Amino acid sequence: KAGVTQTPRYLIKTRGQQVTLSCSPISGHRSVSWYQQTPGQGLQFLFEYFSETQRNKGNFPGRFSGRQFSNSRSEMNVSTLELGDSALYLCASSSLITSGARDEQFFGPGTRLTVL
Amino acid sequence: AQSVTQLDSHVSVSEGTPVLLRCNYSSSYSPSLFWYVQHPNKGLQLLLKYTSAATLVKGINGFEAEFKKSETSFHLTKPSAHMSDAAEYFCVVSDPNAGNMLTFGGGTRLMVKP
Repeated sequence: KAGVTQTPRYLIKTRGQQVTLSCSPISGHRSVSWYQQTPGQGLQFLFEYFSETQRNKGNFPGRFSGRQFSNSRSEMNVSTLELGDSALYLCASSSLITSGARDEQFFGPGTRLTVL
Repeated sequence: AQSVTQLDSHVSVSEGTPVLLRCNYSSSYSPSLFWYVQHPNKGLQLLLKYTSAATLVKGINGFEAEFKKSETSFHLTKPSAHMSDAAEYFCVVSDPNAGNMLTFGGGTRLMVKP
């Protein structure tokens, strides 16, 4: 079974631009979550999508948005990029969420975004 | 609100000696707990998970962790370190009262000396 794939793997943008990152989950997984990883803040939850609906959202400004398609693929968008948005963006997928417990999340290799 | 504290940002051991990575959590409900490992330039890989079954959880690559509710701890151990264990390790809590969102600890970088 193919793992979680993320494209592109590396991206360089300048301040003020916008960027779109893509994530393809493991086949059959309907939950996709996004995380931002930086040396200063560590790993922080951005949002989660399940069956094309946003289920949870972390504490990030509205410049960060996402969506999920009917095939469970997900994209996240960051508008008006700032230097502080430079980070590794990780996507994770999981199967149906069972009551009372989180199913294992499988992570992709990440997209490293550099904002100049 | 839930939180996770990894007590050591860096741990250095010699190859063949035991590994102990410490983790304390705070959760308003019975949480699910995980340890993930991240090798350089790679995504995160699940080592093991606790979901209210046995308190001693065995994972991959010889790692195990013990859930101690009275101490709110979930420390990760391995009897004998291998050079390939050098990586960053994350303790993670999932609280069903918080929509099953994952909260990550700050990470512990494990260094293994030959």
